[in-house]
This record gives sequence, C-alpha cells and structure tokens, in this order.
Amino acid sequence: NAGVTQTPKFRILKIGQSMTLQCTQDMNHNYMYWYRQDPGMGLKLIYYSVGAGITDKGEVPNGYNVSRSTTEDFPLRLELAAPSQTSVYFCASSPAFPSSYEQYFGPGTRLTVT
Amino acid sequence: DAKTTQPTSMDCAEGRAANLPCNHSTISGNEYVYWYRQIHSQGPQYIIHGLKNNETNEMASLIITEDRKSSTLILPHATLRDTAVYYCIVNPGSARQLTFGSGTQLTVLP
Repeated sequence: NAGVTQTPKFRILKIGQSMTLQCTQDMNHNYMYWYRQDPGMGLKLIYYSVGAGITDKGEVPNGYNVSRSTTEDFPLRLELAAPSQTSVYFCASSPAFPSSYEQYFGPGTRLTVT
Repeated sequence: DAKTTQPTSMDCAEGRAANLPCNHSTISGNEYVYWYRQIHSQGPQYIIHGLKNNETNEMASLIITEDRKSSTLILPHATLRDTAVYYCIVNPGSARQLTFGSGTQLTVLP
C-alpha cells in the first residue's frame, strides 16, 4: 500500500490564484482530513469527511473548499489565494474500525503564496 | 474540548528512557489520551493511545494517572531517530478529529 499520497509536494502561488491540492489513500478508510500547519505551530483542522459525499468544516475552513466523490480521494480547493494561506498542508485518513483513532498522514504539500 | 499542557522542550541521552509528561486536568470520562510525533516537518505519526489503563506497544508505553489528569509517554531506549515534536492530544471529537497543541520538542543527544 502507498498509504496517503499528496500532490504536489511544493507549490508557489500568486495572490488571487486558485489551485487544488490532491489527496489519495489506498487503505479504504472512511474518514479523511485536511490540516494546515504554520511555522512552529501545531496542526489545525480545515475540513474533514466521514465518507463519500459527506464533508464538514473544521477549525479553519475559510478560504477553502473540499469534495469527496470517492472513498479514495479528498481534494482541497483554494480559491483566491492569500498570503495567510502560506502553510504546509497535510491530508490524513483513518478507518471507521477497529482502530478508528489512529490517523495516517501524508507527506504534506508546502504552499507559498506571494 | 480538554486542553493539554506539555513542556516546550526536553533533552534525553541516547539509550536512556525518555519520559514526556502531559497535563490534561480537564479531561472528561469518555475522552482518550493520544500521542503522536512529528519528525522534521514530516506528517505526524501515531504512537499510542489510552483511556485509563496503562498501555504498551512496540514504540512506547503510556502511563495515565488514576485520576486521569496527567499522563506520561515513555520511550524506553531513545535513539537519535526519536528526535521529534511529540504531541499529547485528548478528545478526538465526533469524527476522530485531532486538536494539536504546540507539543514537546524532544532532542535525543548522542
């Protein structure tokens, strides 16, 4: 299994541009999550999904959108990028059971908005 | 959500046990304690979790006090590869959401 994969690894955006961060997991996990991590800080939850077709906001959803059309994919869309969105973005997934409390993280996407 | 308090940083000699404390005095009865670590900006890695009994796996041991207001993560024989930020987390939320604080930077010294 590849686990959780994220693309791209790095990206530089200009202010006002848009992009989609891709996340795919091959473990058939029901739950998926997007976090952002600013320098020297812990991770903050942006959006999460408990299954295909179901998404909900986390702690910091403003400026982002998500969709979950399949179990495997959970893309994160940035519209009108702002410098405040410069961060490292991590996608994660977890199974519904038996070990539903262990999240598996991807390697991250490092985004700079200038 | 219950909040956690961890020391900002700790050092440990290679080969010795690393004991990382966490205070979670407002934890409620159905909340679990989780430990994750993050090595040099990689994605966080799950270590262990527990409710009220002590837990052990191949990576670490988790000791939870009887009143559940604090816990200690023990890495029995720390190696240089254990240098990382360690996060203590309680209350994953309805969808197993994780709320990360600032964590403890553990540096294992040769």
